[in-house]
Amino acid sequence: GAGVSQSPSNKVTEKGKDVELRCDPISGHTALYWYRQSLGQGLEFLIYFQGNSAPDKSGLPSDRFSAERTGGSVSTLTIQRTQQEDSAVYLCASSLSGTGRNQPQHFGDGTRLSIL
Amino acid sequence: AQSVTQLGSHVSVSEGALVLLRCNYSSSVPPYLFWYVQYPNQGLQLLLKYTTGATLVKGINGFEAEFKKSETSFHLTKPSAHMSDAAEYFCAVSVPDKIIFGKGTRLHILP
Repeated sequence: GAGVSQSPSNKVTEKGKDVELRCDPISGHTALYWYRQSLGQGLEFLIYFQGNSAPDKSGLPSDRFSAERTGGSVSTLTIQRTQQEDSAVYLCASSLSGTGRNQPQHFGDGTRLSIL
Repeated sequence: AQSVTQLGSHVSVSEGALVLLRCNYSSSVPPYLFWYVQYPNQGLQLLLKYTTGATLVKGINGFEAEFKKSETSFHLTKPSAHMSDAAEYFCAVSVPDKIIFGKGTRLHILP
């Protein structure tokens, strides 16, 4: 498809388990972003990848959260030892270039994560 | 520091009435501004953007927004609301390497 693809669309897991969320950006987009959207809240920035540069991890809420981007394309967000407060929708976005301020971000439909 | 403030977490308008969603920003550099819409169980979709040039920007679905530098505002309007406009709307400002989003305004359309 032409858009940003995220999988799974829904994930239910038990507290304490690890989860992996996947994002496949638009082909040719060098910038990739992860956000967290909790109920009634806005978008919380988590991490940003731009090309081969070191990622901006300034938004990761704890060391249980990590992300990688392999080959400048697909990205995986990993949450270790999940807690109930991790329940949220995790959104991925990509843009043509993160350094171009006029470049809009294109969003996937998100992964709805529920921690029991 | 750059920031975005959206006034009103919920706005209700009657079908056919004017839609006005307010957004104020703070930016230390000339702002690039965006409005996004989010329908239930979907990601965000770009409605319109302002970069440079004309301050009145037209977007999809009949929406438009006007950049007013003196008021540091970028309010979103639509002359006549439709039931399909019910969604959450996010204003955002672009800063180097990042886009900062407002907390969103949920638009309710009353029949």
